[in-house]
Formats: sequence, C-alpha cells, structure tokens
Amino acid sequence: GDSVTQMEGPVTLSEEAFLTINCTYTATGYPSLFWYVQYPGEGLQLLLKATKADDKGSNKGFEATYRKETTSFHLEKGSVQVSDSAVYFCALSGSASKIIFGSGTRLSIRP
Amino acid sequence: GAGVSQSPSNKVTEKGKDVELRCDPISGHTALYWYRQSLGQGLEFLIYFQGNSAPDKSGLPSDRFSAERTGGSVSTLTIQRTQQEDSAVYLCASSPDLVMGQPQHFGDGTRLSIL
Repeated sequence: GDSVTQMEGPVTLSEEAFLTINCTYTATGYPSLFWYVQYPGEGLQLLLKATKADDKGSNKGFEATYRKETTSFHLEKGSVQVSDSAVYFCALSGSASKIIFGSGTRLSIRP
Repeated sequence: GAGVSQSPSNKVTEKGKDVELRCDPISGHTALYWYRQSLGQGLEFLIYFQGNSAPDKSGLPSDRFSAERTGGSVSTLTIQRTQQEDSAVYLCASSPDLVMGQPQHFGDGTRLSIL
C-alpha cells in the first residue's frame, strides 16, 4: 500500500542555517504530496503541496519539489528562524483517497 | 469562516469509562477523517467518511472504537471501556471532496487522558 517515510528527528539547527528534511514515498499512480506543520500548542496546518511531477510547492520560505524519478519530496529552507521550530509531516494523497502521513520530524532552532 | 471544530478540547476520564468525541467539519466539506496522535508519535489514521458512502474503518484499532457521521456533517468518535493506551490527541480533519490533491483542514484536537 501507499506509504511515506521521512527522516527521523529531532533535528536541531542554529538560526540562519540551511534546512533539509527528507521525505520519500511509495504509491501507485500519481499521488499528490503535502507538507504539514504543527507549531507548539497548535493544530496541524498545510504548509505546501504539489500535485504533479516536477511541481514545486512553496510557502513561508519553504520549498519542496515533487521528484517522481526518486519518489521524493524533500522540504528545504535556506535560512531557518526560531519561529520555524515545529513538527513537520510529509504526506501523500493517492489512489485510496485518504491522506497518508509520515511519522513527523521535530525541528528545533537555536537562537 | 469557521474551521473544523472539535469538542471537548480536553477530556480526563477513568479507565473503563466510555467517551464521546465530537467533530464539526467545515461547512460543505464532504470528506471527514479521524486520526490519533500519541505523545511524540505521528498521525495514526482511524476512519474516514465520504458523503453517503460506507466509511473506511480500516484504521480503527479495536472494536471498542466506533464512529458515526449524522446527516453528512457532524461526526462522533466513541471509545468504549477506555484503556490507558487510548490516551492521545484525537484529531479530526475535513476536505471538500474526493478529488485528489485536496488538502485536509484539521481541528485543534481533543486531548484524551485515561487515568
């Protein structure tokens, strides 16, 4: 069945560092891919999405490119801030329609 | 422009009691999902409803868990004879329809603690 694998956390970086959180997926057909973010004490919210190969989703300085050849959707940000500290979830919506989530990656940014 | 509303926000109960968790999705959203998030863990899919179709119950962990959705809107997740391992945050989400690529909108969750 469909699945999502993302890098385990926690990830701790200094402010202004470059961020990559890896995400790979297994799915039949052409799923849509998402990154969700959960800030401390808040609910899950959509960060960005891509619906077809080579699409790049972007929001709040974060980017992720849908790579079908490597079945990946890695999340990147050029310069992280303390306010980016949160748990990040990679997810896909495939043939089964329900959204499958990865296990989440906790990100902590040091001032 | 209300989002997904869940109640109660917190629930503390004794082991063995039954609990009911409520979810009010965004108006017009036909798809509704329940997930469970245990401390430090990812999201565990429980059940989803789409319109008048039979729900996908494949994620329910035991027969103590059940859910219904009345009138295609509000949903209730019921846990009978609660156990300590049921302690978690229960999240509800809704989306407009089954068209692929529609993101889910999440409620703030119900934090359930079983003593």
